Amino acid sequence: ETGVTQSPTHLIKTRGQQVTLRCSSQSGHNTVSWYQQALGQGPQFIFQYYREEENGRGNFPPRFSGLQFPNYSSELNVNALELDDSALYLCASSLRTSGRRSDTQYFGPGTRLTVL
Amino acid sequence: GENVEQHPSTLSVQEGDSAVIKCTYSDSASNYFPWYKQELGKGPQLIIDIRSNVGEKKDQRIAVTLNKTAKHFSLHITETQPEDSAVYFCAASRKTDSWGKFQFGAGTQVVVTP
Repeated sequence: ETGVTQSPTHLIKTRGQQVTLRCSSQSGHNTVSWYQQALGQGPQFIFQYYREEENGRGNFPPRFSGLQFPNYSSELNVNALELDDSALYLCASSLRTSGRRSDTQYFGPGTRLTVL
Repeated sequence: GENVEQHPSTLSVQEGDSAVIKCTYSDSASNYFPWYKQELGKGPQLIIDIRSNVGEKKDQRIAVTLNKTAKHFSLHITETQPEDSAVYFCAASRKTDSWGKFQFGAGTQVVVTP
């Protein structure tokens, strides 16, 4: 187990609704990345948060937004849900220190989102 | 941007045999290459990684090789066991890119039959 936790484990929403997913990073980690994994595919990078600010973003529209809190936990918010948003949403935590980058990322178990 | 291709998409091996999964990447600036194992209903688990200043790395039955010139890297699993059955993903990232912006391959479903 990595120590990265996510909630909820499963979620069913209807098209047009909004959803919030939560992630607690591994103890000692200060950076959280979010990924979307469609069925049968590899994870796709959504964005990353460091020091409570977005630090890089993939090819996802603005209706995907996030937050990072002082305790390094994070939220992913998706507005105006579409059918194609159905996927496993993964968060990964890592440690970034001044002047030194840690590439190693540890993933949580994910939240399975179904949009009907 | 970076593009990572992974082959094969499925791999069936007899218990005790070796399994090899290959990935190619397009961005010569990529310098970190992790491999993840994902079991059904779980998140990806890091199993081994390699950086561009190293050509090979081994951890018990698992090894990864990197050919920077050809821009490909491979995962080798020896003496496979049924518990090695899972989906394996390769990934690549650039030192100059946003931290943690991994580009993943499409995955390889490995089935180890007793």
